Amino acid sequence: DVKVTQSSRYLVKRTGEKVFLECVQDMDHENMFWYRQDPGLGLRLIYFSYDVKMKEKGDIPEGYSVSREKKERFSLILESASTNQTSMYLCASGERYGVYEQFFGPGTRLTVL
Amino acid sequence: DAKTTQPNSMESNEEEPVHLPCNHSTISGTDYIHWYRQLPSQGPEYVIHGLTSNVNNRMASLAIAEDRKSSTLILHRATLRDAAVYYCILRGSLYNFNKFYFGSGTKLNVKP
Repeated sequence: DVKVTQSSRYLVKRTGEKVFLECVQDMDHENMFWYRQDPGLGLRLIYFSYDVKMKEKGDIPEGYSVSREKKERFSLILESASTNQTSMYLCASGERYGVYEQFFGPGTRLTVL
Repeated sequence: DAKTTQPNSMESNEEEPVHLPCNHSTISGTDYIHWYRQLPSQGPEYVIHGLTSNVNNRMASLAIAEDRKSSTLILHRATLRDAAVYYCILRGSLYNFNKFYFGSGTKLNVKP
């Protein structure tokens, strides 16, 4: 069974803290994605990676960075967390060719106080 | 970026067909139409996709208008497990083929 796992389901951090969200996939996919989901706004793409050490900005990259040192792992980093980064964060991995289906993890609900 | 428009919410009775509409009037000739759904407390999951012709799979059917400016996801017999938010997405096949643009989706409520 294909799987995308995220390091935490719930996380509470304080303003100014550095936050790491980790995502691991076991499907040998080249593409990995980080989205945030907010009520009324749907899913918005933060960053994506199409290969190890490769990354591209999505629609809302400000305040975030990413790291992909291994094919199966994609990390999202909040350098200095702010309250407006309180959100649900979803990781996905996907095929580079064919259907381009994306497989999502269960999400991390981050609260920044 | 190509945008889609969907109703915020729809309601259906269990075991009846459901037609979920999507407008995408700015679709380009190479954009694929994808549908995903998100069950409560889960990440989105793939439902179906198509380019020009109607498509069927075990989960649903996708009907695409001849001018491709709209499409309809058809659930043939809704069950309570189909209550979810359904997203209609355009995927470009050229420079942005890896990127999906999710809107707010349609929240489907299924009544027993």
